[in-house]
Amino acid sequence: GENVEQHPSTLSVQEGDSAVIKCTYSDSASNYFPWYKQELGKRPQLIIDIRSNVGEKKDQRIAVTLNKTAKHFSLHITETQPEDSAVYFCAARTGSLGRLYFGRGTQLTVWP
Amino acid sequence: DVKVTQSSRYLVKRTGEKVFLECVQDMDHENMFWYRQDPGLGLRLIYFSYDVKMKEKGDIPEGYSVSREKKERFSLILESASTNQTSMYLCASSLIGGGQETQYFGPGTRLLVL
Repeated sequence: GENVEQHPSTLSVQEGDSAVIKCTYSDSASNYFPWYKQELGKRPQLIIDIRSNVGEKKDQRIAVTLNKTAKHFSLHITETQPEDSAVYFCAARTGSLGRLYFGRGTQLTVWP
Repeated sequence: DVKVTQSSRYLVKRTGEKVFLECVQDMDHENMFWYRQDPGLGLRLIYFSYDVKMKEKGDIPEGYSVSREKKERFSLILESASTNQTSMYLCASSLIGGGQETQYFGPGTRLLVL
């Protein structure tokens, strides 16, 4: 099956700085790549996603890039704020049933 | 608004007990999933179901079974609970394809097996 690796496992940045989280996947047939944010004590929630026919997608301060050749995708958060502090999970989908393969997560801490 | 609910937020059970965790979604989603979340290990899929009475093993199905008798309800069963099943259990649901694959998660059940 698909294998998704995520780095780094922890990331600390100063408020206002940018944060980048990277993921690699193994199955070239994967076609959908969502990112989930899980705040402390809460459920994971989708923040952005990208499909394999698109190289980049932006939504205000967050963006995702996809390099299909290298089989990696990244989450970029600009002008970080303390409320961005959370665990972020990347995922990849192979096939049509909707099963996602998740990375192990990145704990992002934004210091004021 | 999609709503995914789980039967308990916290549960304490004894080793060897049979444990039932229930998940209900109200958006007519075909897919339902059970994950286990442990620190440093991310979200690991236990089982999923893409239709009533259908089930597929995930990455860590050992010691678990599932039941989906109705579209909106997906149950996770620990046949004989063990201490290494102490964890946070998350349920999720989604549509199949069509650009609507977002998985919506329930609030989680924190299970302690003594």
